[in-house]
Amino acid sequence: DQQVKQNSPSLSVQEGRISILNCDYTNSMFDYFLWYKKYPAEGPTFLISISSIKDKNEDGRFTVFLNKSAKHLSLHIVPSQPGDSAVYFCAASPRSQGNLIFGKGTKLSVKP
Amino acid sequence: DAGITQSPRHKVTETGTPVTLRCHQTENHRYMYWYRQDPGHGLRLIHYSYGVKDTDKGEVSDGYSVSRSKTEDFLLTLESATSSQTSVYFCAISVGPGGISGYGYTFGSGTRLTVV
Repeated sequence: DQQVKQNSPSLSVQEGRISILNCDYTNSMFDYFLWYKKYPAEGPTFLISISSIKDKNEDGRFTVFLNKSAKHLSLHIVPSQPGDSAVYFCAASPRSQGNLIFGKGTKLSVKP
Repeated sequence: DAGITQSPRHKVTETGTPVTLRCHQTENHRYMYWYRQDPGHGLRLIHYSYGVKDTDKGEVSDGYSVSRSKTEDFLLTLESATSSQTSVYFCAISVGPGGISGYGYTFGSGTRLTVV
């Protein structure tokens, strides 16, 4: 029973355009949502997070939107760059717990 | 950036043998985690620790044990390795106060384990 779902295994975008990565969740008791980026042969790196009491958080080219009624969050990358090509994982933190639950990941390819 | 190292980086072992993977941190963080990454499954939690000698099971803990005798080291042991445990293993530390996950984890570079 997947609590965090990334339904698109892959996404291809042209350099300079917007990349939108999506994530759905089933548990209303998550208090934080996070995005991680992973290059091959490296560990995942923390990108951006959002508290469940907010609906938007922005950091440079990266913006995360949270729609609590739809139990949906998205990561927008504008403008996309070839160096953004990686696997992106969505993760959620259950309230009062110290662990994270991850989605299966979406592989983003940004073409020059 | 938090110092976290995993060893070994690569290992090939035979079915039925015990294997221990090591995670070492240099910044005295309380919370440490072991995840495995498999195609089609993303990252799944094996075990985690919230202090010396304090550990708990994650989603896929069967066939694994952990130990934490010092703050800086978190060991993952495959008691009798099976081919289904062929995977990439990541250690992580929670850098937020009190292990609050909204601050994110710092991950190690991973250990690629192959069980033949």
